[in-house]
Amino acid sequence: DVVMTQSPDSLAVSLGERATINCKSSQSVLYSSVNKNYLAWYQQKPGQPPQLLISWASTRESGVPDRISGSGSGADFTLTIDSLQAEDVAVYYCQQYYNTPWTFGQGTKVEIK
Amino acid sequence: QVQLVQSGAEVKKPGSSVKVSCKASGGTFSSDGFSWLRQAPGQGLEWMGGVIPMFGTPTFAQTFQGRISIIADESTSTVYLELNSLRSEDTAMYYCARAAPEMVFALSQWYFDLWGRGTLVTVSS
Repeated sequence: DVVMTQSPDSLAVSLGERATINCKSSQSVLYSSVNKNYLAWYQQKPGQPPQLLISWASTRESGVPDRISGSGSGADFTLTIDSLQAEDVAVYYCQQYYNTPWTFGQGTKVEIK
Repeated sequence: QVQLVQSGAEVKKPGSSVKVSCKASGGTFSSDGFSWLRQAPGQGLEWMGGVIPMFGTPTFAQTFQGRISIIADESTSTVYLELNSLRSEDTAMYYCARAAPEMVFALSQWYFDLWGRGTLVTVSS
């Protein structure tokens, strides 16, 4: 199975500042024949199901604010939240869909400092 | 607008079985892909298995092989999860999720664009 490891486990950021979450996979999730990274990011607010934010490592879903962005390739990825807002308080998960079983990182909790 | 509506919370005894439903509305259903995932209290997400109704044959995570069943009923646009031989470690929120439509027929490469609100299953003696 592909192991997904996120860092840090939690972080506290001041309103308006940047939050950066890292995700590392135990093997590359880059499908070289199509040059695409099979990596998604989700946001889960308390008491709610996860919500898809980003697919293909960097493609934002419709309605996701452009202060949230994804980057990276191969086995190292980053989710960046520029200018943190109160509504960004949540747990964020990365997921690889390169092969089954699809696996998730352990989550990163983002709070307001 | 596609919605996934899950059945209500369950309390089960160890060794028993639970059946959870997920009714899809507003989509095509037969050519959609559906998965079940779970989240133990305070923990991360774990994929359990999935199915494309028009094909019918589900795939399962190795962890659950032998005690899981996933059935899609096209007549009611409902997907069911049945988990047998329950133990306390199965206490979790169980989510139904839809595979992103662009990836449905890439059978081993799904991410999830729509989630149900979850069904809490508590296993306790």
